[in-house]
Amino acid sequence: DAGVIQSPRHEVTEMGQEVTLRCKPISGHNSLFWYRQTMMRGLELLIYFNNNVPIDDSGMPEDRFSAKMPNASFSTLKIQPSEPRDSAVYFCASSLAKGAYEQYFGPGTRLTVT
Amino acid sequence: KNEVEQSPQNLTAQEGEFITINCSYSVGISALHWLQQHPGGGIVSLFMLSSGKKKHGRLIATINIQEKHSSLHITASHPRDSAVYICAVRTNNAGNMLTFGGGTRLMVKP
Repeated sequence: DAGVIQSPRHEVTEMGQEVTLRCKPISGHNSLFWYRQTMMRGLELLIYFNNNVPIDDSGMPEDRFSAKMPNASFSTLKIQPSEPRDSAVYFCASSLAKGAYEQYFGPGTRLTVT
Repeated sequence: KNEVEQSPQNLTAQEGEFITINCSYSVGISALHWLQQHPGGGIVSLFMLSSGKKKHGRLIATINIQEKHSSLHITASHPRDSAVYICAVRTNNAGNMLTFGGGTRLMVKP
């Protein structure tokens, strides 16, 4: 398996633009997580899905952020409109849903909003 | 106070030294993870444990549930071990969500 796939790997955009980050989890995994990592706050969970259903989105910073998982093999994290403070590395991870299973992280998307 | 505290925040060692990184948590957990993040940014899961001790090569992870404490040990450290090591806990009744420590930045000098 190719592991968790994220695209793009790097994104530079201007303030106010819409940004869409994409994630393909490992085949067979039914939990998917979106994380954000910044120097100031470290790694933070934004939202997590079980079987394509959002379970907890309490980490989503504000209404400008939205996430969808239309099927078991694809998820998006959208920021609209983007702001410079959204600049961070966004990681997607997947795992099996039941039991204490390991999470497998994607390579991350480094977002810079100017 | 953060739910997951790591120490030290930064650590510099000479090649060959034995290294210990500590993680303390204040909540009930179902599992604890140790993650490694290399300078390139990728995150790799090293261990997941809920009791006792696990070993993989030169890495050893231990956990004491009663004391709410875990340690990650690296024996015979090498410059390629230089990375950020992150402790994360899966809290009880939190499903598969992880709460992260602030990380320990390790540099091993040749």
